[in-house]
Amino acid sequence: GAVVSQHPSWVICKSGTSVKIECRSLDFQATTMFWYRQFPKQSLMLMATSNEGSKATYEQGVEKDKFLINHASLTLSTLTVTSAHPEDSSFYICSARELAGFRDFTGELFFGEGSRLTVL
Amino acid sequence: GENVEQHPSTLSVQEGDSAVIKCTYSDSASNYFPWYKQELGKRPQLIIDIRSNVGEKKDQRIAVTLNKTAKHFSLHITETQPEDSAVYFCAAPRDTGANNLFFGTGTRLTVIP
Repeated sequence: GAVVSQHPSWVICKSGTSVKIECRSLDFQATTMFWYRQFPKQSLMLMATSNEGSKATYEQGVEKDKFLINHASLTLSTLTVTSAHPEDSSFYICSARELAGFRDFTGELFFGEGSRLTVL
Repeated sequence: GENVEQHPSTLSVQEGDSAVIKCTYSDSASNYFPWYKQELGKRPQLIIDIRSNVGEKKDQRIAVTLNKTAKHFSLHITETQPEDSAVYFCAAPRDTGANNLFFGTGTRLTVIP
């Protein structure tokens, strides 16, 4: 299957700093990528949909100014957690599909390895 | 939009026994239902999926059944093994025309050797 790579796999930062997480589709082009947040023992909560060449679409309750998303190419999306605080500590994971723009969802989602953020 | 409920939240079985996880969905137009397995600290991986034109699909020890009338689908794992221990998520399209999935709350399966 297709491969999605995420980097870094874990990061520890001080409160108030910004952290950038990269999500790459290695062997396919993804016009759309998705960013999730997963707290311990909880499900995957969609944060935003990253669209190549246009603005990301954020889910209700997700601060777009705090979680900056850039999708500058067909194989790379980045999530920047700005002015991170301890409550932002979580497992962030991205996903992508090989083909986008279907009327009905029929394609497999491929996930990155995830990035565990710890804010001190 | 879609809403997916998953039960149980935790499940413990003896090695060799069967495990069943059930999900219900709300949108009758949903037509694709995947199951993902997530081991601790790792990425979710698709283990099986079913489309609405099929009632059952099987892949070795794993099977998924779909009841469109009742709007529920279930994951069945037979002859469970310790390596089946993980969190399992069901999912359905978020809404008509969706490009993404709505995930269930997850079931932590523990297979006791």
